[in-house]
Amino acid sequence: DAGITQSPRYKITETGRQVTLMCHQTWSHSYMFWYRQDLGHGLRLIYYSAAADITDKGEVPDGYVVSRSKTENFPLTLESATRSQTSVYFCASSYSGADQETQYFGPGTRLLVL
Amino acid sequence: AQSVTQLDSHVSVSEGTPVLLRCNYSSSYSPSLFWYVQHPNKGLQLLLKYTSAATLVKGINGFEAEFKKSETSFHLTKPSAHMSDAAEYFCVVREKAAGNKLTFGGGTRVLVKP
Repeated sequence: DAGITQSPRYKITETGRQVTLMCHQTWSHSYMFWYRQDLGHGLRLIYYSAAADITDKGEVPDGYVVSRSKTENFPLTLESATRSQTSVYFCASSYSGADQETQYFGPGTRLLVL
Repeated sequence: AQSVTQLDSHVSVSEGTPVLLRCNYSSSYSPSLFWYVQHPNKGLQLLLKYTSAATLVKGINGFEAEFKKSETSFHLTKPSAHMSDAAEYFCVVREKAAGNKLTFGGGTRVLVKP
């Protein structure tokens, strides 16, 4: 049971390049989320999705694009990476039923933008 | 709007002594509250959650937290710290009106001294 996985785990890129971070979950959870973690800020929500083909902005969506064509995948794309997007990115998922409040997190992707 | 303040960015304890991590929240409606733990280079793991049932909530690894509405607090405690408790801890709030969106505190890093 793989749960929720993220790839790559580490990524170095250059300013202006496009980068896609992958998130995959095997639980068929309806909800999926992308967060970024920066020192002193805890985790901040970038985008979330309530189901396939339904996405919505979170607290810090600028510079990011998401899609959700399949329930199990929720890729996050930085269309033109900037140094301020250097961060640790976490994907999470949750049920839509009685326990929808509990989010399950992936191991994270460390992204460095030079 | 919901918000969370973790009153200590760092806490240092000796092994075998009690741990107290303080959290205050702000919420317009009846909130759900969570504590997550993040070990170095790992994803976040749910420790415990409060969802309007018993105000004293017991979690994994001997942790517990008490919801105090009058004080808008949700402090996390453990009677006796173990070396494996060294990690970062996040207090999280979810307002029912906010759907499944969570708001994270800035985190408290716990150091356990032998």
